[in-house]
Amino acid sequence: EAQVTQNPRYLITVTGKKLTVTCSQNMNHEYMSWYRQDPGLGLRQIYYSMNVEVTDKGDVPEGYKVSRKEKRNFPLILESPSPNQTSLYFCASSERQNYGYTFGSGTRLTVV
Amino acid sequence: AQSVTQLDSHVSVSEGTPVLLRCNYSSSYSPSLFWYVQHPNKGLQLLLKYTSAATLVKGINGFEAEFKKSETSFHLTKPSAHMSDAAEYFCVVILNTGGFKTIFGAGTRLFVKA
Repeated sequence: EAQVTQNPRYLITVTGKKLTVTCSQNMNHEYMSWYRQDPGLGLRQIYYSMNVEVTDKGDVPEGYKVSRKEKRNFPLILESPSPNQTSLYFCASSERQNYGYTFGSGTRLTVV
Repeated sequence: AQSVTQLDSHVSVSEGTPVLLRCNYSSSYSPSLFWYVQHPNKGLQLLLKYTSAATLVKGINGFEAEFKKSETSFHLTKPSAHMSDAAEYFCVVILNTGGFKTIFGAGTRLFVKA
C-alpha cells in the first residue's frame, strides 16, 4: 500500500531532550515536507526537500533540523525542544511539485 | 507577499443543501492550488487540484472548484451536502518558483445539520 509512515504517533518529552520524528514513504517520491498544525493557524511548512541532499526552509524552521540522506526517509530533528514546539506534526510526500501531497497520519508532540 | 485567505472559519449547512467554502490567494507567481480535507483525528486527504489546465476542477466526493484569476479566488463547492462531509477544509497554494514552498489557509470547519 502506498503510504507515508510517521513514528511515533504520540510523544511526550521534556524541555531540552533531543528527539527525532521519523518519516518514510514507499512511493519513490522526490518531494517531501514537514508541517506543524496549530489551532487557528492551519498547517505551516517547517522544511521541505526536493531530492536527496536537497533541503530548504519553509515558513517556521527555527528550532528544527532535517536531513535527506535517502530518498524514502526525511526525519525531523528537534535538538532542544521547547514547550512552544508542542503541536501536531505531519510529514508529506509528492511525486512532482504540483501533483498534490500524500500525508502521514501525524505525530502529536507535547513538550513539558 | 504570498498568502491564502479562507474567508470563513466556520460554515454550517443542512444536509442536502449546497456547500460553498471560499478561498482567496495572493501570489506574485503562477500558483498551483489545492483543496484538502481533514476529518477529525485524521490526516489530510487531497480533494482536488488546479495546475493551469481547465479552470473548473472536479474532485472526489462530488466537490469541485473554479479558479478565477481576475478575482484571485479558488472557491470549493458541492451541490448537495452529506453528513459525511463534516470536516475541516484547507485551501493550499504551492508557489511555482522552482522551490516547493507551500502555504496553507487557516482552514474552514464545515458543519452539516441533519
